Amino acid sequence: DSGVTQTPKHLITATGQRVTLRCSPRSGDLSVYWYQQSLDQGLQFLIQYYNGEERAKGNILERFSAQQFPDLHSELNLSSLELGDSALYFCASSVAGGGIEDTQYFGPGTRLTVL
Amino acid sequence: GQSLEQPSEVTAVEGAIVQINCTYQTSGFYGLSWYQQHDGGAPTFLSYNGLDGLEETGRFSSFLSRSDSYGYLLLQELQMKDSASYFCAVMKDSNYQLIWGAGTKLIIKP
Repeated sequence: DSGVTQTPKHLITATGQRVTLRCSPRSGDLSVYWYQQSLDQGLQFLIQYYNGEERAKGNILERFSAQQFPDLHSELNLSSLELGDSALYFCASSVAGGGIEDTQYFGPGTRLTVL
Repeated sequence: GQSLEQPSEVTAVEGAIVQINCTYQTSGFYGLSWYQQHDGGAPTFLSYNGLDGLEETGRFSSFLSRSDSYGYLLLQELQMKDSASYFCAVMKDSNYQLIWGAGTKLIIKP
């Protein structure tokens, strides 16, 4: 157990809908990262927040948005969902603002299925 | 563009040694990390190399050669529980994001 929690564990929805994924980082961690992992593929970095501010942006679609709240939990909002958005969405947290020595700890993931 | 290459699948025998290679082409380089992911599970951090050479952590070691843009993960005394996917990831610059390889599925046979 990494100490990072994600809800919900599974989510099934229809195309065109909007969903919100939630992540609570480990106690004391200031950074939250969001990743997308499609079936049998590697992780695609989406976005990072550090202490409430956006820190780095990866391959995040315009239909997706995220934020980090004052209590440091984060939400990833996915809208106008398409079949291709079906994937595992991982949240990770780290103590500091990033860097190769700033180990990322991953939550269990949310499996999103778009029908 | 940025790319990381690692074999898609490697098969080894329980008790043996296996090496998983990773070559990278990125516009910058700050370090190479390795993560393990069991089926249906979350990635877990194994090691990182910021400088050339070998880093050893128990049965696992990781090596980096920056001049060759190459690294590897070495797993010794393989156990069935080591069956998983292994990802290399490069931090290419100071914007902190990791660029991930597609992963190597390690299959261990008794």
